[in-house]
Amino acid sequence: GAGVSQSPSNKVTEKGKDVELRCDPISGHTALYWYRQSLGQGLEFLIYFQGNSAPDKSGLPSDRFSAERTGGSVSTLTIQRTQQEDSAVYLCASSRGGGDTDTQYFGPGTRLTVL
Amino acid sequence: SQKIEQNSEALNIQEGKTATLTCNYTNYSPAYLQWYRQDPGRGPVFLLLIRENEKEKRKERLKVTFDTTLKQSLFHITASQPADSATYLCALPPLSGGYNKLIFGAGTRLAVHP
Repeated sequence: GAGVSQSPSNKVTEKGKDVELRCDPISGHTALYWYRQSLGQGLEFLIYFQGNSAPDKSGLPSDRFSAERTGGSVSTLTIQRTQQEDSAVYLCASSRGGGDTDTQYFGPGTRLTVL
Repeated sequence: SQKIEQNSEALNIQEGKTATLTCNYTNYSPAYLQWYRQDPGRGPVFLLLIRENEKEKRKERLKVTFDTTLKQSLFHITASQPADSATYLCALPPLSGGYNKLIFGAGTRLAVHP
């Protein structure tokens, strides 16, 4: 079956521009996560959606970052006024539920480069 | 805050040997630990989960141990193959709760040479 998909696969933007990154989770998965992976670093949690509950935004690094999940499915991560330190791979994952040991299935990521 | 350490140097081994990767953590006692594989340009893929009351877990050629006294997990690949070459990440739930928010190590790159 289809896995988690993300688009675009690569995005190059200029400093100060806004970008939108998209994630299509596995159908039927109620939990969705965004992580960020900088070169040589581990994955950094950004935000978590579970069903209709309020999202856990505790990992968002600044108010320039926001995310939404429409209809409990597709999610968009928006970065406003991008900075060079935002350059990273942004990974989306989904899981069947929000249980603490539910397997997270990752997408291929979007590589963001801010010039 | 909790800290996860994985050897940042690549591990180079010969095909057929056993690869052993280490994950050390500090400052808390996680209820479980997970291992993932990540290939270049791809997202991580879940491999194994081991709980704090389990000393060892196996899956095919993979074996994970969890020593809560040493605060360490070892990940073994027996009879390694070139196809096992990848970066391996360990991940733990956060100290602050919200167990779905995994904390990942930076990973160790494994290269298996024919």
